[in-house]
Amino acid sequence: NAGVTQTPKFQVLKTGQSMTLQCAQDMNHEYMSWYRQDPGMGLRLIHYSVGAGITDQGEVPNGYNVSRSTTEDFPLRLLSAAPSQTSVYFCASSSPGQGTYGYTFGSGTRLTVV
Amino acid sequence: AQSVTQLGSHVSVSEGALVLLRCNYSSSVPPYLFWYVQYPNQGLQLLLKYTSAATLVKGINGFEAEFKKSETSFHLTKPSAHMSDAAEYFCAVSEGNTGFQKLVFGTGTRLLVSP
Repeated sequence: NAGVTQTPKFQVLKTGQSMTLQCAQDMNHEYMSWYRQDPGMGLRLIHYSVGAGITDQGEVPNGYNVSRSTTEDFPLRLLSAAPSQTSVYFCASSSPGQGTYGYTFGSGTRLTVV
Repeated sequence: AQSVTQLGSHVSVSEGALVLLRCNYSSSVPPYLFWYVQYPNQGLQLLLKYTSAATLVKGINGFEAEFKKSETSFHLTKPSAHMSDAAEYFCAVSEGNTGFQKLVFGTGTRLLVSP
């Protein structure tokens, strides 16, 4: 019963470096999403996907790319990291009609950009 | 647009005291409302949800919340705080249950419990 798995748990990047945050779920959920959590700002939606091959932007998409080639995986790419992207990133999944039950969240990736 | 306001970034209580965490929302349609809890260095865990059924919702760990439409509130309560309740609590709102539902979160309230 893995649920939503995020890797890595911690990462330090230099400004300008690129990296991919991995997210995988084993619940066959159609919907997946990425949020970032910053102190005093709660969680904000970055990108989301309603199925394989379909992605859309959330509230704060700039500087991030996503793709959804399979139902299970939804990686988040930082093309050129900036200090403003220092944050804790959460991946979440859900199913149609499961909006009433909330999402299942991963345990997060803590990213520091220096 | 939806929004959520959580009054008080920090709330301190003594063990055994009443816990009250406030949440007010704005939504143009009947909302679905959620409370999530986040323990240190962990992800978010669903505490309870309101989905237009009973207005008094009971969740895990003895928490409950009451949906008050006239006050646009969904405050979280627990009669007697325990040390293990120390965590950050987030109120969130979504609209309906059709298609992908974006969750809009409040800024969070950190609950501190003293012996």
